[in-house]
Amino acid sequence: KQEVTQIPAALSVPEGENLVLNCSFTDSAIYNLQWFRQDPGKGLTSLLLIQSSQREQTSGRLNASLDKSSGRSTLYIAASQPGDSATYLCAVLYNQGGKLIFGQGTELSVKP
Amino acid sequence: DTEVTQTPKHLVMGMTNKKSLKCEQHMGHRAMYWYKQKAKKPPELMFVYSYEKLSINESVPSRFSPECPNSSLLNLHLHALQPEDSALYLCASSGGLAGVGEQYFGPGTRLTVT
Repeated sequence: KQEVTQIPAALSVPEGENLVLNCSFTDSAIYNLQWFRQDPGKGLTSLLLIQSSQREQTSGRLNASLDKSSGRSTLYIAASQPGDSATYLCAVLYNQGGKLIFGQGTELSVKP
Repeated sequence: DTEVTQTPKHLVMGMTNKKSLKCEQHMGHRAMYWYKQKAKKPPELMFVYSYEKLSINESVPSRFSPECPNSSLLNLHLHALQPEDSALYLCASSGGLAGVGEQYFGPGTRLTVT
């Protein structure tokens, strides 16, 4: 069964810390992987998309890596800010034309 | 412009009502999606349209009826819903074939069934 797991479920850090969110997937034959952010009661905001042939993607303070052989992706957030507080979701696409398989998300709280 | 719009923002309906949710994008995307999201859970895929044709139906009850009138619009028609259908309904779109490109989500419609 193709599953996506995110650990931890919740994380609280002081402002300014660098942090890493983890995503693991059971089947390494992925097509791409996407990281999203969701604020309470809102839609999802796409942060980064990594194709299966890529090792990492960067956008501003965010860096996402992909290691297919170990079935892992990490989202690195540098110099965290209270505005980064949100739920972060990892989603894996296994087949072209298929559906995204979502993790349960990590709820991040950055304290001032 | 990477915007997907959804109307209405909130909807309260009785179990005998008929209502529709609307989604629109002007990014030229040819794949559009409906998701349902319950509190503290990830989105669950309901339907996928690719080039205005229904390509995936995740065994959704017939009280939910999707429609894709053109490449920019996606509707979800609701009829005889149950209280457990109360949720945030999210629309998304992506370029190219369904599921291939980066998915962009709308802000959602918060549905309450009374």
